[in-house]
Amino acid sequence: SQKIEQNSEALNIQEGKTATLTCNYTNYSPAYLQWYRQDPGRGPVFLLLIRENEKEKRKERLKVTFDTTLKQSLFHITASQPADSATYLCALDDNYGQNFVFGPGTRLSVLP
Amino acid sequence: ETGVTQTPRHLVMGMTNKKSLKCEQHLGHNAMYWYKQSAKKPLELMFVYNFKEQTENNSVPSRFSPECPNSSHLFLHLHTLQPEDSALYLCASGRGGDYGYTFGSGTRLTVV
Repeated sequence: SQKIEQNSEALNIQEGKTATLTCNYTNYSPAYLQWYRQDPGRGPVFLLLIRENEKEKRKERLKVTFDTTLKQSLFHITASQPADSATYLCALDDNYGQNFVFGPGTRLSVLP
Repeated sequence: ETGVTQTPRHLVMGMTNKKSLKCEQHLGHNAMYWYKQSAKKPLELMFVYNFKEQTENNSVPSRFSPECPNSSHLFLHLHTLQPEDSALYLCASGRGGDYGYTFGSGTRLTVV
């Protein structure tokens, strides 16, 4: 069956460190993989998209990698800040960029 | 504001009521989506509209009825709901391919 897993439900790290979140998938062949941030009571906010033929993408303090052999994406936040505390969702397409299916999310807490 | 507006933000309804959720976007996106987000569960795709045409109905019970009169507006009509339908209902719009979705803030629905 198709499945998307994110490494842990919750992750605590110290301010200034690099947070690394994992997204693994089974029985999908995505052309695109996305990462979103969601704050409590709000809708997800799009952060980054990476294509199947890209290994790495960066945006400011964010970095995403995509390994289609391992069926895994890693999401890094460098020099983390308490304001980065939120739930982070990965999503991948099941219809060549048309419909995206979401993982369960990882709740990140950056401690001062 | 994200550019996708959902109303109402909160809704409490009895199991015999009929109500509608509204979503509006003026981003020029051709696709609109309804997602359901329950506690401790991933976002579930419910319906997809592309250029006003429904392209996906993800095995959603008939007590949920979508309507898309034009590319900017999307409704979700609700009738005879069950308490387990209580959730955050999120609307999103997108233009496919390399671009992420833009989500609204959601409607928090409670069925009593």
